Amino acid sequence: ETGVTQSPTHLIKTRGQQVTLRCSSQSGHNTVSWYQQALGQGPQFIFQYYREEENGRGNFPPRFSGLQFPNYSSELNVNALELDDSALYLCASSGTGDEQFFGPGTRLTVL
Amino acid sequence: AQSVTQLGSHVSVSEGALVLLRCNYSSSVPPYLFWYVQYPNQGLQLLLKYTSAATLVKGINGFEAEFKKSETSFHLTKPSAHMSDAAEYFCAVSDQGSSNTGKLIFGQGTTLQVKP
Repeated sequence: ETGVTQSPTHLIKTRGQQVTLRCSSQSGHNTVSWYQQALGQGPQFIFQYYREEENGRGNFPPRFSGLQFPNYSSELNVNALELDDSALYLCASSGTGDEQFFGPGTRLTVL
Repeated sequence: AQSVTQLGSHVSVSEGALVLLRCNYSSSVPPYLFWYVQYPNQGLQLLLKYTSAATLVKGINGFEAEFKKSETSFHLTKPSAHMSDAAEYFCAVSDQGSSNTGKLIFGQGTTLQVKP
């Protein structure tokens, strides 16, 4: 059984650019959640996908968008990057009744 | 709306001493509560979870937590700290009350330092 993986590990972008982060769910999991963790803070919920449909969204603007694919892998897209988007982005996958299993995260730096 | 407050952003203990990390929650429904640990440059690992069964929950690495409804608390303890316990600890509540796959609402985190 493979765990949750995320790519890339680190990313540096400039303000105004767009970024795509990727997450591969744990085998058999059909739900993926994305979180933003700013430095020194707890993770904040961005959104959740269940069977390719958005299933809840946190207090993030529409320039944060996501996709979940038939194989349950997922993408987080952020448009018009701002300095405050610099953070660790975590994805977590879960199956029915299972706990959320977190990936190692992608560290995004916006200059 | 659910929320979590972790009391103390930094806790320092000596190796072998008791570890106590404090968490208070607010929830309009019976909560599902979690403690996660995060080592540097890594994701979150679940230590333990409360899902309305036994109020004393035992987790991995010798940690345990007690759910106290009257105090709206879910403090994390370990009788004897090891150097390897040094990490960031997060308390979280699930927004769906009876589900552990709902949106997780995290506290600000507590950094545990273990001194030799």
